[in-house]
Amino acid sequence: EPEVTQTPSHQVTQMGQEVILRCVPISNHLYFYWYRQILGQKVEFLVSFYNNEISEKSEIFDDQFSVERPDGSNFTLKIRSTKLEDSAMYFCASRPGGNSPLHFGNGTRLTVT
Amino acid sequence: AQSVTQLGSHVSVSEGALVLLRCNYSSSVPPYLFWYVQYPNQGLQLLLKYTTGATLVKGINGFEAEFKKSETSFHLTKPSAHMSDAAEYFCAVRGYTGTASKLTFGTGTRLQVTL
Repeated sequence: EPEVTQTPSHQVTQMGQEVILRCVPISNHLYFYWYRQILGQKVEFLVSFYNNEISEKSEIFDDQFSVERPDGSNFTLKIRSTKLEDSAMYFCASRPGGNSPLHFGNGTRLTVT
Repeated sequence: AQSVTQLGSHVSVSEGALVLLRCNYSSSVPPYLFWYVQYPNQGLQLLLKYTTGATLVKGINGFEAEFKKSETSFHLTKPSAHMSDAAEYFCAVRGYTGTASKLTFGTGTRLQVTL
């Protein structure tokens, strides 16, 4: 069964550095999402992406964050200048459309030191 | 806007006992409802979903949930718990607006299964 893949599985970075989290959604899917889960807390919506533009973003998704779908295959989340509080598990998700559910990747654990 | 409330952050049951994980939702439009399971150090796996039609939906691993509009609930049940069911369970709601509408999660319920 096709799945959403995320790389790397774990990334450690220093405060102030830029990170790019990578995702390959399922190939025929049209809607793409990033969520995050701070340790021990709920899964929080960051951003949704459709038709090559952001559809919706949360308050968390400030100017430090950006998303791209550079080549029709990858879907990336960039954090420009990481803060300690950005440490979390970041999940990518995609879905084909209609009333279909989201399919999630296994996540990237980001640790900011 | 949508929101989800999961009553009980931790639930412990004996192996073979009934599992009941509670979820109540709030939605300004007809909701789509989902249960996801997260095993340690893994991603979110879809257990089951309700979109339209039959209000009792069956999912993987013997789980099922019933959409009750009058109670704004979507509780998850399993008749007989197994040790392998130990995980975190998230209820989620999405309101269909015709666009890339987001999924809103509850805070999760950690299910512990004891011998």
